[in-house]
Amino acid sequence: EVQLVESGGGLVQPGGSLRLSCAASGFTFSRYWMKWVRQAPGKGPEWVANINQDGNEKFYVGSVKGRFTISRDNAKDSLYLQMNSLRAEDTAVYYCVRDLGYGDNWGQGTLVTVSS
Amino acid sequence: DIVMTQSPDSLSVSLGERATINCKSSQSVLYSSNNKNYLTWYQQKPGQPPKVLISWASTRESGVPDRFSGSGSGTDFTLTISSLQTEDVAVYYCQQYYSPPHTFGQGTNLEIK
Repeated sequence: EVQLVESGGGLVQPGGSLRLSCAASGFTFSRYWMKWVRQAPGKGPEWVANINQDGNEKFYVGSVKGRFTISRDNAKDSLYLQMNSLRAEDTAVYYCVRDLGYGDNWGQGTLVTVSS
Repeated sequence: DIVMTQSPDSLSVSLGERATINCKSSQSVLYSSNNKNYLTWYQQKPGQPPKVLISWASTRESGVPDRFSGSGSGTDFTLTISSLQTEDVAVYYCQQYYSPPHTFGQGTNLEIK
């Protein structure tokens, strides 16, 4: 069974940083693209970034370019999202998703709240 | 970026009746080299992550009831629930994965009349 478990969310002040992690199991992690999708309270999902199997291809939504960095460690079956210069509008539940183009498996998400 | 627009924003349908949700993309999501539409449909219930129902515009995911179907090509797509059940109450989203960023529609809130 595919499992994706996010961690690292919490309350952070504007301008601060946070690193999200996702532990994957139940599938061969190194064979799949992976992505982060976020959902602000009461809003629809927003695709944030994705990364290829080797970690040498990455794409970002415009609003996070230069502030967020997606990465992975295939030896640890883990996906990461380093978030810097956080803004109030980054407040959301962040989901780790296995990426077939569409997301066929989603974690339960971790809540990031950016507030003073 | 490709803009995805769903209609309606909300929909009220009687049990056993048909529900139809539309999704329009600002540019074609049909990849000519393989004749596939890079369009998916998700269902989201409160407190849960989205669940994929349909991929490639019309391919039902394993375990999804056959009352759910997807159709359309190019820029215009439809999700149809042939006979609404109580467990279908949810928000439905379309998403394109033709080119990054893989944008979502704004969602359609489906309820029982």
